[in-house]
Amino acid sequence: EVQLVESGGGLVQPGGSLRLSCAVSGFSVSSFYMTWVRQAPGKGLEWVSVVYVNGSAYYADSVKGRFTISRDNSKNTLYLQMNSLRAEDTAVFYCARVVRNWPLDYWGQGTLVTVSS
Amino acid sequence: QSALTQPASVSGSPGQSITISCTGSSSDVGRYKLVSWYQQFPGKAPKLMIGEVNERPSGVSNRFSGSKSGNTASLTISGLQAEDEGNYYCCSYAPSGGLVFGGGTKLTVL
Repeated sequence: EVQLVESGGGLVQPGGSLRLSCAVSGFSVSSFYMTWVRQAPGKGLEWVSVVYVNGSAYYADSVKGRFTISRDNSKNTLYLQMNSLRAEDTAVFYCARVVRNWPLDYWGQGTLVTVSS
Repeated sequence: QSALTQPASVSGSPGQSITISCTGSSSDVGRYKLVSWYQQFPGKAPKLMIGEVNERPSGVSNRFSGSKSGNTASLTISGLQAEDEGNYYCCSYAPSGGLVFGGGTKLTVL
């Protein structure tokens, strides 16, 4: 059974850092593109970042230079390192699996990040 | 990369058909056959309903269908049911190497 379980969210002050994890079971993170999507309270979905099978990573302009996506194949886990956090980064962060031709077929339950003083 | 444009809300009565539009540009929706649609209920994770413009994953009702013309993709739900009420998002591959979502459409079943 495929499962994605995010963790690491919480309350952080502006300018602070947080690392999100997405523990995967049922498939290998090294074999698929993996992505992070966020949703601010009461707002729509916003794509954040993707890591390709070859390790190439891409970011939304809103997080470029502040967030870093990575994966640990031995732990079958996806990460999102978030630095220089701002109030506008407050959101539920979802990890998801990308399948051929870009649909996101499996999603985690999400983890809430709140940036506030 | 600008968000794709969706109507904020649509509504329909049980049994009717509704269509949600998703307008992008010649750089995303118009350029690639890589549009997907997601259904989301409050407090829940999104669920893939349509991939690659009109491909329905296993387990998704055939009442859901997708299409594309030029820079606009569409999701049609036929035989509307009360359980379809929720939020719907379109998504397209973008030339930046990632994705772009629409702003979302709230579907109300009257």
